[in-house]
Amino acid sequence: DTGVSQDPRHKITKRGQNVTFRCDPISEHNRLYWYRQTLGQGPEFLTYFQNEAQLEKSRLLSDRFSAERPKGSFSTLEIQRTEQGDSAMYLCASSLTNSEAFFGQGTRLTVV
Amino acid sequence: AQRVTQPEKLLSVFKGAPVELKCNYSYSGSPELFWYVQYSRQRLQLLLRHISRESIKGFTADLNKGETSFHLKKPFAQEEDSAMYYCALSIQGAQKLVFGQGTRLTINP
Repeated sequence: DTGVSQDPRHKITKRGQNVTFRCDPISEHNRLYWYRQTLGQGPEFLTYFQNEAQLEKSRLLSDRFSAERPKGSFSTLEIQRTEQGDSAMYLCASSLTNSEAFFGQGTRLTVV
Repeated sequence: AQRVTQPEKLLSVFKGAPVELKCNYSYSGSPELFWYVQYSRQRLQLLLRHISRESIKGFTADLNKGETSFHLKKPFAQEEDSAMYYCALSIQGAQKLVFGQGTRLTINP
């Protein structure tokens, strides 16, 4: 599968623990996006990278959330001191400039 | 603020019947509108975008700026159309998509 890859697919963690998710975009896609999707809702934008630069962050992205794309290829999303409200599907997408966004299959996070 | 509204969470029609999934948006400028689809156990994928004016899998959608709508239509539903459908808006010059809540379409045999 040469599409957007996310790891892990599922993560169960205890409240207060830190978690990190990885996204590998489609090769040569310069744009990378993170979205969050809770039950019964559409995806909500979290943040966006153009190459290695993080160009936009949603107000949904609290201080406990941090995202990086160090070499303009893969990206990581870290959540510190997880809360039950962080339980959601975290989606990554990538695209070329002004082109269709391709989505990964997501990482489902459950905070217990 | 930009917003996308899909008034129907669930829609059920019989095979061969026409389908219309409603989408309304609020944005004062010139938006770009999309329909995304998610089949069971598959990732979210683009179905169509208004600027391409294509018909994909028999689906069409016309942007009506006067009514701020972008309804998705298909004249004859097929069982394989059963899926979750999301309408989304992209603001010119911005990079993010604003999604509606989604409509789960079920096609009954």
